[in-house]
Amino acid sequence: DSGVTQTPKHLITATGQRVTLRCSPRSGDLSVYWYQQSLDQGLQFLIQYYNGEERAKGNILERFSAQQFPDLHSELNLSSLELGDSALYFCASSVYLGVNEQFFGPGTRLTVL
Amino acid sequence: DQQVKQNSPSLSVQEGRISILNCDYTNSMFDYFLWYKKYPAEGPTFLISISSIKDKNEDGRFTVFLNKSAKHLSLHIVPSQPGDSAVYFCAASEGGGADGLTFGKGTHLIIQP
Repeated sequence: DSGVTQTPKHLITATGQRVTLRCSPRSGDLSVYWYQQSLDQGLQFLIQYYNGEERAKGNILERFSAQQFPDLHSELNLSSLELGDSALYFCASSVYLGVNEQFFGPGTRLTVL
Repeated sequence: DQQVKQNSPSLSVQEGRISILNCDYTNSMFDYFLWYKKYPAEGPTFLISISSIKDKNEDGRFTVFLNKSAKHLSLHIVPSQPGDSAVYFCAASEGGGADGLTFGKGTHLIIQP
């Protein structure tokens, strides 16, 4: 158990809908990262927050957004969902900005029908 | 363009023997490399890492070797055990990982009894 929690574990929704994925980092970790793992791709970095502020963006679509709250939990919002958004979404956390070892949650499996 | 490549999608090794997993990268700005292990229905678990200023790092049965001139790293597991059967991801970062990790697509290691 990495100490990172993600809810829900599974999510099934329809095209065009909007969903919110939630992540609670390990106790004491200030950085939160979001990754997407689709069927034919490895883990792709989406976005990073540090102590409530956005710090880095990777391959994140404009339809996706995220935020980190004062209690350090983070939410990833996916809107206007398409079939191709079906994937595993992982959250990871680390103590500080720029610490390489990231600890991953169990993931949320999103299925868009 | 894949910056981190794991060219073997799967690898089968006999229990007790050495497992060698390989990884190549193209971005010369990468300065930190990590290996993660992933079981089904779980998030990736950090295994071992190496800084670009070193060429070897050892932790118990796991050793990572880095050849900067060849832009190649490898993970050695000796001796291989049944619990080592999992998907192994190679990951890299630059600037301390502040921009997230870049992952390979993974190698599925199967340890045969």
